Amino acid sequence: AQSVTQLDSHVSVSEGTPVLLRCNYSSSYSPSLFWYVQHPNKGLQLLLKYTSAATLVKGINGFEAEFKKSETSFHLTKPSAHMSDAAEYFCVVSALMNSGYSTLTFGKGTMLLVSP
Amino acid sequence: EAGVAQSPRYKIIEKRQSVAFWCNPISGHATLYWYQQILGQGPKLLIQFQNNGVVDDSQLPKDRFSAERLKGVDSTLKIQPAKLEDSAVYLCASSWDRGYTFGSGTRLTVV
Repeated sequence: AQSVTQLDSHVSVSEGTPVLLRCNYSSSYSPSLFWYVQHPNKGLQLLLKYTSAATLVKGINGFEAEFKKSETSFHLTKPSAHMSDAAEYFCVVSALMNSGYSTLTFGKGTMLLVSP
Repeated sequence: EAGVAQSPRYKIIEKRQSVAFWCNPISGHATLYWYQQILGQGPKLLIQFQNNGVVDDSQLPKDRFSAERLKGVDSTLKIQPAKLEDSAVYLCASSWDRGYTFGSGTRLTVV
């Protein structure tokens, strides 16, 4: 079985300050991990993914995430928030299931609010 | 390459009516997924196909939902009869070798 816990339902930051969105995962097998962003009334956009290569993963728009196996975490960070970063962010795990195939399991999401 | 195509984009129906959604995945992607995203929640897997076979439908409400993927390409998801709680965005995704692509979704409103 696999699961994802996003530790904060809402995160509020000021423009220009760092962003930290927290994610913990559980997986029976070596997982792949993803962060997706969803702007209001828009589709899901892939920010970055970890697939067992480098543990520090760089994504689009200045975001990065670090895979920490010992802590089962995959937190998303950005050094300086921009107003356009305001959106909902989903941490996602993909691992081999009992069916023999991989599937994606989503967290409940973290809404990032950015104030001027 | 073309993305995952879904139609319609929006649908409003009355409860107890039926509705169908269509998905055309990326060419060559063997795996196809249908997810349900209720407002304010993360997407939940309804059903997963590998080619034209079902590999996971454990969270599909089979008394009212059905899905098929004839010939291992396009897929349809049907709800009959619809309930108010089925109001959600229905997302289709396809994948190949850990690369996943999502469609824009169909927003269903049941009134």
